[in-house]
Amino acid sequence: AQKVTQAQTEISVVEKEDVTLDCVYETRDTTYYLFWYKQPPSGELVFLIRRNSFDEQNEISGRYSWNFQKSTSSFNFTITASQVVDSAVYFCALSGEYNFNKFYFGSGTKLNVKP
Amino acid sequence: GAVVSQHPSWVICKSGTSVKIECRSLDFQATTMFWYRQFPKQSLMLMATSNEGSKATYEQGVEKDKFLINHASLTLSTLTVTSAHPEDSSFYICSARGRANNEQFFGPGTRLTVL
Repeated sequence: AQKVTQAQTEISVVEKEDVTLDCVYETRDTTYYLFWYKQPPSGELVFLIRRNSFDEQNEISGRYSWNFQKSTSSFNFTITASQVVDSAVYFCALSGEYNFNKFYFGSGTKLNVKP
Repeated sequence: GAVVSQHPSWVICKSGTSVKIECRSLDFQATTMFWYRQFPKQSLMLMATSNEGSKATYEQGVEKDKFLINHASLTLSTLTVTSAHPEDSSFYICSARGRANNEQFFGPGTRLTVL
């Protein structure tokens, strides 16, 4: 069974603080993809990153970084020097080997960045 | 990146009426389109997968006679909520997949309110 858990329902930080959003996944597939999406109040999903199961290298994109660890089945997302515009709901998602089309979304983490 | 549009962006209707939501891929051909439903403060749940020219595949628990999906062309899929009731009020999001890879491009969503 495929499952994504985002244990943090809501996080509040003050601008310029660093924040890490946790994502833990469950799958029996050997090949799978992990994703992070941002959903601002407007509702539109913004793609942030896709990582396949064979690539455990951490990735950095500006203030965003991702830590993929297969040993702990985690794919955590860190925002450094957070800004008010980062306020949104962030979803982690998984798609598996036998049906790459089917996305399993976590419950989302609402990030509030206060000025 | 690829652009997916939805129309309308929001709709309010009376209970018992039917509502059609359109999903269009604007700059690519979408062999597969997906329909998700998101209740307030909840995650996205896949409702159905539609392939151009064939019948949609519905997820368990989704009534296919209630949520009619048509994917008549490579750039358009429609979701019709038939005989809508207040419990159908939700945020409906479509996504589209091109031929090249399994990345999905999400539309901006349609907020349906049934009175």
